[in-house]
Amino acid sequence: EAQVTQNPRYLITVTGKKLTVTCSQNMNHEYMSWYRQDPGLGLRQIYYSMNVEVTDKGDVPEGYKVSRKEKRNFPLILESPSPNQTSLYFCASSFQWGGSSYEQYFGPGTRLTVT
Amino acid sequence: LAKTTQPISMDSYEGQEVNITCSHNNIATNDYITWYQQFPSQGPRFIIQGYKTKVTNEVASLFIPADRKSSTLSLPRVSLSDTAVYYCLVGPLSTDKLIFGTGTRLQVFP
Repeated sequence: EAQVTQNPRYLITVTGKKLTVTCSQNMNHEYMSWYRQDPGLGLRQIYYSMNVEVTDKGDVPEGYKVSRKEKRNFPLILESPSPNQTSLYFCASSFQWGGSSYEQYFGPGTRLTVT
Repeated sequence: LAKTTQPISMDSYEGQEVNITCSHNNIATNDYITWYQQFPSQGPRFIIQGYKTKVTNEVASLFIPADRKSSTLSLPRVSLSDTAVYYCLVGPLSTDKLIFGTGTRLQVFP
């Protein structure tokens, strides 16, 4: 089954404790992206990757890191989480070539709470 | 990327047809119109995409007039399970960024 998986689905942590949210897709997509969703602010892009070893900042990259060492994985790293990073996070992927990158597949979401 | 405007919310009853209009006055020649659906606490789901005239799939229809400055997502005979937020996005087929607005919150009542 074609899908984007994220882990963990729920995470409660404390300020300053490094964490990683994993994202994996099994569709051989070139493009992957991370979004956060907050009430009243909609979905905002954090980082994206056009292919392996190619990443770039989205609209709200501060406080986040990403890496793309393999095509299928795109982990989101919070080196020193703060309470303002409490949010619902979504990973997404799509074909970049030969198809529409507007047809993105989203993961189930990770609800992060930083206390 | 073209700016889009859509109603904040809409209410409907089961069995009715729902039409959600999106305005995109500055759409570019190579822009496509894409709609996503998002249920509470789930990721958005691509539902339909079009360039001009009409596109239909098993979920919805998309109507795009000749001037392409607006588009209408049509959901036939909605059910309670169609309660969701619907987003209209406009841009070229290949892009590095999807920009989601606040969407239209559709509430379907029994």
